[in-house]
Amino acid sequence: QVQLQESGPGLVKPSGTLSLTCAVSGASIRGSYWWTWVRQSPGKGLEWIGQIYHDGNSNYNPSLNNRLTMSVDESQNQFSLNLISVTAADTALYYCVCAPGYCGSGRCYSLFRYWGQGTLVAVSS
Amino acid sequence: DIQMTQSPSSLSASVGDRVTITCRASQDISNFLAWFQQKPGKPPRSLIYAASTLENGVPSRFSGSGSGTDFTLTINSLRPDDFATYFCQHYYTYPPTFGGGTTVEMK
Repeated sequence: QVQLQESGPGLVKPSGTLSLTCAVSGASIRGSYWWTWVRQSPGKGLEWIGQIYHDGNSNYNPSLNNRLTMSVDESQNQFSLNLISVTAADTALYYCVCAPGYCGSGRCYSLFRYWGQGTLVAVSS
Repeated sequence: DIQMTQSPSSLSASVGDRVTITCRASQDISNFLAWFQQKPGKPPRSLIYAASTLENGVPSRFSGSGSGTDFTLTINSLRPDDFATYFCQHYYTYPPTFGGGTTVEMK
């Protein structure tokens, strides 16, 4: 059973850096998964933030304007998100997701199958 | 980005009803579509992928159909546990995007 647990500060100051970590159990960070972050807010709904593979290959949402960095820590079986220059618009419930990767029908894709419980992050002074 | 539009945004139904939710993509996404269920205070739960394939453990009263731009999620014989919000999501290309959600409320 794959389990994920987000951790990080619940409050970040405007222009600061939002840093979250997701601890993974029940699956190896080296497995065929895309380690994914999704956020949810009343204003924007569910929004895909980005994803990273254990080899460092990553895909980020262009809407985040190059503010995002993701990383994998194989020794701790966890992955992380860093979002710089945050504003109130980054206030949301942040989920980490284990997304198995597949290739078929001429495309490669991942399925958002296993979700953490989410952590609420507010951006406020 | 591909826009995903769900309708209705909410509906009222009774236990035993058949419920249909639609999702429209702003361009052809073949069958690269997933459906999720979310209850208050919980993360989304994956129900269906590839437009019509049920995830392990999902009851057979749930079904999905469609291809291209138009998709439906159907719940046959609604159960009390099914009152929730449902989202569609495409994974055809980057970035994957979600629909705005459909809340199924008790009539």
